[in-house]
Amino acid sequence: DAGVTQSPTHLIKTRGQQVTLRCSPISGHKSVSWYQQVLGQGPQFIFQYYEKEERGRGNFPDRFSARQFPNYSSELNVNALLLGDSALYLCASSPTSGPYNEQFFGPGTRLTVL
Amino acid sequence: AQSVTQLDSQVPVFEEAPVELRCNYSSSVSVYLFWYVQYPNQGLQLLLKYLSGSTLVKGINGFEAEFNKSQTSFHLRKPSVHISDTAEYFCAVTDFIQGAQKLVFGQGTRLTINP
Repeated sequence: DAGVTQSPTHLIKTRGQQVTLRCSPISGHKSVSWYQQVLGQGPQFIFQYYEKEERGRGNFPDRFSARQFPNYSSELNVNALLLGDSALYLCASSPTSGPYNEQFFGPGTRLTVL
Repeated sequence: AQSVTQLDSQVPVFEEAPVELRCNYSSSVSVYLFWYVQYPNQGLQLLLKYLSGSTLVKGINGFEAEFNKSQTSFHLRKPSVHISDTAEYFCAVTDFIQGAQKLVFGQGTRLTINP
């Protein structure tokens, strides 16, 4: 079975630009979460979506937005990019949004903002 | 809100030696704990999890962890490490807020295995 897939693998943008990252969950999983991992740190929670609705949001500015589609895939959008947005963006899927779920992570999208 | 502290940022050990990676979490009524491993340029892979029941949890690749409620710890151990265990290890706790399962991660521990 395919795991969580993310695209693109790498991305280079300049300050002020906008970026869209994509994630496809494991088949049958209805929840998708997004995390930001800055170099040398642990991942930080950005969003969780379940059944196409936002269930939770981390401490990130409104420049960050996301959505989930009927097939449960998801997009993360970041507007007005800053240098500090350079990071590995990880997508994770789980069957539901419950607290005991294992979250399965994709390989990530490495975003570099110049 | 939950928080996690990984007490060692780097742990160097020799091959075939035992290792312990330390993790402390903030207290809560119910706690769900996880250890993830991240190999270079890859995503996170689950090593093991504690949801309830036995305090000694066994995971993949010979790793195990012990949940200690009185000390709010969830230390990861392996009796004999291999070169292939070189990676970044993250301890995480679930913070379930407003219907969302938010994983709160520690800063990570870089495990380096020397031959």
